[in-house]
Amino acid sequence: EAGVAQSPRYKIIEKRQSVAFWCNPISGHATLYWYQQILGQGPKLLIQFQNNGVVDDSQLPKDRFSAERLKGVDSTLKIQPAKLEDSAVYLCASSSGNTIYFGEGSWLTVV
Amino acid sequence: GENVEQHPSTLSVQEGDSAVIKCTYSDSASNYFPWYKQELGKGPQLIIDIRSNVGEKKDQRIAVTLNKTAKHFSLHITETQPEDSAVYFCAAAPRDDKIIFGKGTRLHILP
Repeated sequence: EAGVAQSPRYKIIEKRQSVAFWCNPISGHATLYWYQQILGQGPKLLIQFQNNGVVDDSQLPKDRFSAERLKGVDSTLKIQPAKLEDSAVYLCASSSGNTIYFGEGSWLTVV
Repeated sequence: GENVEQHPSTLSVQEGDSAVIKCTYSDSASNYFPWYKQELGKGPQLIIDIRSNVGEKKDQRIAVTLNKTAKHFSLHITETQPEDSAVYFCAAAPRDDKIIFGKGTRLHILP
């Protein structure tokens, strides 16, 4: 069974630029998550989708972050404009029931 | 909301010895407690989990214990090996499709 796929793996951008991350969840998983993991900390939930609907986006900085899952499968997370404090690993995950499976992450450095 | 505390933040043990990581949670409604292992440059991987109707679960060298009354749970790794070196995260699920992570424990296995 293929795991959660993410791209790009690494991205370096200047502050105020924009960036987009893509995620393809495990086949058949209705729930998709985007987490932000700052170095030395645990993952923090940004947004959770159930199929193509948003379940929880309470921690998403909506002035600069947006995410969509238009067809209920793939998802994109966008940051515009980026700030220095957005430097982190952006983890996509999917689940069927309780068990959450993570991708390898997209490492963002904002300079 | 749910809050998960994890201790210690760093742990060094001699190869072959045991390692114990402890977590507490705040929401008595939480009923699912997964543990994730994160190696450098990779996403978190589920290594073991326990549900609230069970007090202990074991899988080879890894065991988890849960005390619902005291709201704490622990990860025990016996006969530690170099490949056990990683960051370990505990988590608690206040509802079926949502988990809250602890801040992580960096485990070093000393030769």
